[in-house]
Amino acid sequence: DQQVKQNSPSLSVQEGRISILNCDYTNSMFDYFLWYKKYPAEGPTFLISISSIKDKNEDGRFTVFLNKSAKHLSLHIVPSQPGDSAVYFCAAHRAGTALIFGKGTTLSVSS
Amino acid sequence: KAGVTQTPRYLIKTRGQQVTLSCSPISGHRSVSWYQQTPGQGLQFLFEYFSETQRNKGNFPGRFSGRQFSNSRSEMNVSTLELGDSALYLCASSLADSKEQYFGPGTRLTVT
Repeated sequence: DQQVKQNSPSLSVQEGRISILNCDYTNSMFDYFLWYKKYPAEGPTFLISISSIKDKNEDGRFTVFLNKSAKHLSLHIVPSQPGDSAVYFCAAHRAGTALIFGKGTTLSVSS
Repeated sequence: KAGVTQTPRYLIKTRGQQVTLSCSPISGHRSVSWYQQTPGQGLQFLFEYFSETQRNKGNFPGRFSGRQFSNSRSEMNVSTLELGDSALYLCASSLADSKEQYFGPGTRLTVT
């Protein structure tokens, strides 16, 4: 049973526009959420995170929003750049357990 | 500070053989986790080690095992390899209580 779901396998956006990547989760015990970015032939790199006690966290062009009642989080990238083209993974943490990752969304930003 | 290193980067094995992968965490990180990535399946958790003890284990068969040494370096072993074990194996390290994990570049295992 998938506890963390990224329902869109891919997303295409034009350079300069906003990219919105979505993630849904089922376990209300998750207390921390993270986004990772992965380029081919490299390991995932940490991008941004949010605690379950917050509803928004911003870091430069990247903002993560958390809607606990809907068990939904999203990553906004504004403005999108061609270098943002990568696979984005959403991950969730619960005390005493390992991170649980979604299957990823491939973002393509065209110039 | 050096990042997480994994060796070897690429490996080709035959069905039935066994393989050992190595991971050196970031200096000061005591937790090491292993993941398997296959196309369309995301990152599937294998196990986590902290201070030489397995702290968490994923839903993989007993052919997959691991260990951690006193210097926090970790190894994972897969015995009796199957074609379906072909994947990218990722190692990640973190501070003892940090939720943020830092990944190595992975080992690409191909089983023929």
